[in-house]
Amino acid sequence: GIQVEQSPPDLILQEGANSTLRCNFSDSVNNLQWFHQNPWGQLINLFYIPSGTKQNGRLSATTVATERYSLLYISSSQTTDSGVYFCAVESGGSNYKLTFGKGTLLTVNP
Amino acid sequence: KAGVTQTPRYLIKTRGQQVTLSCSPISGHRSVSWYQQTPGQGLQFLFEYFSETQRNKGNFPGRFSGRQFSNSRSEMNVSTLELGDSALYLCASSVQGGGNTIYFGEGSWLTVV
Repeated sequence: GIQVEQSPPDLILQEGANSTLRCNFSDSVNNLQWFHQNPWGQLINLFYIPSGTKQNGRLSATTVATERYSLLYISSSQTTDSGVYFCAVESGGSNYKLTFGKGTLLTVNP
Repeated sequence: KAGVTQTPRYLIKTRGQQVTLSCSPISGHRSVSWYQQTPGQGLQFLFEYFSETQRNKGNFPGRFSGRQFSNSRSEMNVSTLELGDSALYLCASSVQGGGNTIYFGEGSWLTVV
């Protein structure tokens, strides 16, 4: 099945700093989503981005489908950005199923 | 519009018992999928339902089963619980699956003792 690798596994920032999270995947995809898992366990949908670039406030994401990677940018980080960020993909060969990376644990210190 | 609703949120069961978890999708969503999250294995796909039909199933033993009702609500059942079944069980819904945005519920925390 499709493989999803996220980097870095851990990231510690000072409030106000910028960061880039990366997601590599091993096959073509028809769905790629970025999620933020809050302290209570819920996966909050950040972006649906199988290709192209999107922005939402301080967050933006870019997926280069031909090169099989996606990037999540967080600018002017805040302590509330702390948590685990997951990339998840759905490939044509595994319909209706998201395959998740292991996540990036982001800690933003005041 | 209400989000994906899962019940119960927290439960403790004894080894050998069975458990049923419930999920109500976002109104208008007909695809419901289930995932298990553990510290060791991460997030793993259990199964997906659309219009009461299971379209895909993950690599879990037969003790894990699910179903979907005509109103798109879904339940999953785990029989003969084992300690390793302790996990966060997440339900997700989308309009029809297959390339649509997927939204997750808050999850059900299951502890098996």
